[in-house]
Amino acid sequence: DIVMTQSPDSLAVSLGERATINCMSSQSVLYNSNNKNYVSWYQQKPGQPPKLLIYWASTRESGVPDRFSGSGSGTDFTLTISSLQAEDVAVYYCQQYYSTPWTFGQGTKVEIK
Amino acid sequence: QVQLVQSGAEVKKPGASVKVSCKASGYTFTGYYMHWVRQAPGQGLEWMGWINPNSGGTDYAQKFQDRVAMTRDTSISTAYMELSRLRSDDTAVYYCARGAPGIAAAPSHYWGQGTLVTVSS
Repeated sequence: DIVMTQSPDSLAVSLGERATINCMSSQSVLYNSNNKNYVSWYQQKPGQPPKLLIYWASTRESGVPDRFSGSGSGTDFTLTISSLQAEDVAVYYCQQYYSTPWTFGQGTKVEIK
Repeated sequence: QVQLVQSGAEVKKPGASVKVSCKASGYTFTGYYMHWVRQAPGQGLEWMGWINPNSGGTDYAQKFQDRVAMTRDTSISTAYMELSRLRSDDTAVYYCARGAPGIAAAPSHYWGQGTLVTVSS
């Protein structure tokens, strides 16, 4: 199984400041035939299902604010919130869908400092 | 608009089975793989498997291979996940999640609201 490891486990950032979450996969999730990284990022607020933010490592889901961005390739990926807003307080998960079983990172809790 | 509406909360005894439903609307049910993901209280997300609603084909995580069955009823656009021989550590919120058209390896753009399954004697 591909292990997804996120860092940090939690993060406190001032309003308007940048938040950066890292995700490392235990093997490459880049599919060479289409040059796509099979990684997505989800946001989950208490009592709600996960919400897709980013897929193919860097494609923003429709309706997601452009302060959210994804980057990386191969085994190292990053989710960046460029200017943290109060409504961004949540747990964020990376996921690989390169091979089954699909696996998620352990989650990163983002709070306001 | 796309909606996935799941069945209500369940309380089961250890050793019993549970069947959770996920009714889809707003799109062609047979055109998109359906995934099931669970989340134990205060824990992270765990993928359980997928079903291809068109063919009925499935792919289960090995952890659940001998206890899970994912089925569908295309006449009512509903997917089902049945988990048998329940244990206390199966207590979790179970989600259905819709992927992309025609392929399994894709992110989940739409999620059901979740179904809490509690296993307790």
